[in-house]
Amino acid sequence: QKEVEQNSGPLSVPEGAIASLNCTYSDRVSQSFFWYRQYSGKSPELIMSIYSNGDKEDGRFTAQLNKASQYVSLLIRDSQPSDSATYLCAATDSWGKLQFGAGTQVVVTP
Amino acid sequence: KAGVTQTPRYLIKTRGQQVTLSCSPISGHRSVSWYQQTPGQGLQFLFEYFSETQRNKGNFPGRFSGRQFSNSRSEMNVSTLELGDSALYLCASSLGPLDNGREQYFGPGTRLTVT
Repeated sequence: QKEVEQNSGPLSVPEGAIASLNCTYSDRVSQSFFWYRQYSGKSPELIMSIYSNGDKEDGRFTAQLNKASQYVSLLIRDSQPSDSATYLCAATDSWGKLQFGAGTQVVVTP
Repeated sequence: KAGVTQTPRYLIKTRGQQVTLSCSPISGHRSVSWYQQTPGQGLQFLFEYFSETQRNKGNFPGRFSGRQFSNSRSEMNVSTLELGDSALYLCASSLGPLDNGREQYFGPGTRLTVT
């Protein structure tokens, strides 16, 4: 089992709708969690970090962490065509290595 | 504040050669990590340096090595290049070591092609 798992998508979302991305993780990664956005041909860009159970909001983005169920999610409200990208979930393991999921491709359709 | 910079941005090498990639972190950041990104394997952790010391290493052969200088700039070296080493190599910097849960910021990457 991989430490961090994501559905590869693509996730097709109508413009203006909410995009919901999920990520599950193993016991080997349990400390800090991050969401990155990566446009095709570009490097990952940090969207948000989350460390404790609950929700964390930043603009149109909300990250949710549930340690009991071992999942972390990202909601994108009022999705725009510019949100079309691959979203990477990452978590720090107990040795301090950052483990990435394979990424979920999001396509926002006008 | 300037972001993470990486040089060169593109590189073409021949099998068997060696290559050195350079990374300058965000000013004030003391931790530098390196990653390899390929379509098949995704983003894979190579190693992390903090205060000139390697703190962690991923599951890569010894051909992959790195170092960090006193000004926090880092280099990674790949010797005896193989075709499978063709990838996007990304450097990321953070204020402190990864096991403190620090946020990492990525550079633009170096696209290495091995022929």
